[in-house]
Amino acid sequence: GEDVEQSLFLSVREGDSSVINCTYTDSSSTYLYWYKQEPGAGLQLLTYIFSNMDMKQDQRLTVLLNKKDKHLSLRIADTQTGDSAIYFCAERGSGGGADGLTFGKGTHLIIQP
Amino acid sequence: DTAVSQTPKYLVTQMGNDKSIKCEQNLGHDTMYWYKQDSKKFLKIMFSYNNKELIINETVPNRFSPKSPDKAHLNLHINSLELGDSAVYFCASSPLGAYGYTFGSGTRLTVV
Repeated sequence: GEDVEQSLFLSVREGDSSVINCTYTDSSSTYLYWYKQEPGAGLQLLTYIFSNMDMKQDQRLTVLLNKKDKHLSLRIADTQTGDSAIYFCAERGSGGGADGLTFGKGTHLIIQP
Repeated sequence: DTAVSQTPKYLVTQMGNDKSIKCEQNLGHDTMYWYKQDSKKFLKIMFSYNNKELIINETVPNRFSPKSPDKAHLNLHINSLELGDSAVYFCASSPLGAYGYTFGSGTRLTVV
């Protein structure tokens, strides 16, 4: 079955870069996503990458995809206190979306002053 | 206008009760979903539904049932509520075959 793995916690200093890693098992994944959840809030789509891409950049966010190793990462440059949240990696299989997203357990990003 | 809206935002109820959570999307999406987020923040899909098929995660108890009166709504009915059902439930929608999933803001269910 599908499985998505992430580390549960990451602690970085304010101003440094944060790199959140994710591995997945479904080789038929078509899209891979990063969602952000702030305390008490819903899920905010940060970015996504199509499986035939290996990098995507959007302002402070850089997504790297290594399809051979089934490894996805999210880099946040110049991490700020407002970036403190849980970051979920998610993948969508090749079923056309009818079976939804499979999420990792989320990485809690902790910002140290 | 909120794209995917859920009501209520908070729901506190006693064990054994039957309750419903409503979800509406105004995006014209073909497929709607229900996800459960437990106390450890783990997110699991419960159902996906379009006008052709319902896909159920086999781990979901049959006390949970989705009901779709029309394409824009997918409500979640829960019978005989148990303490372990306490969680945040998220509704979502997507256009079939496309990449975009939009989530509602969640319903926090507490069973006492």
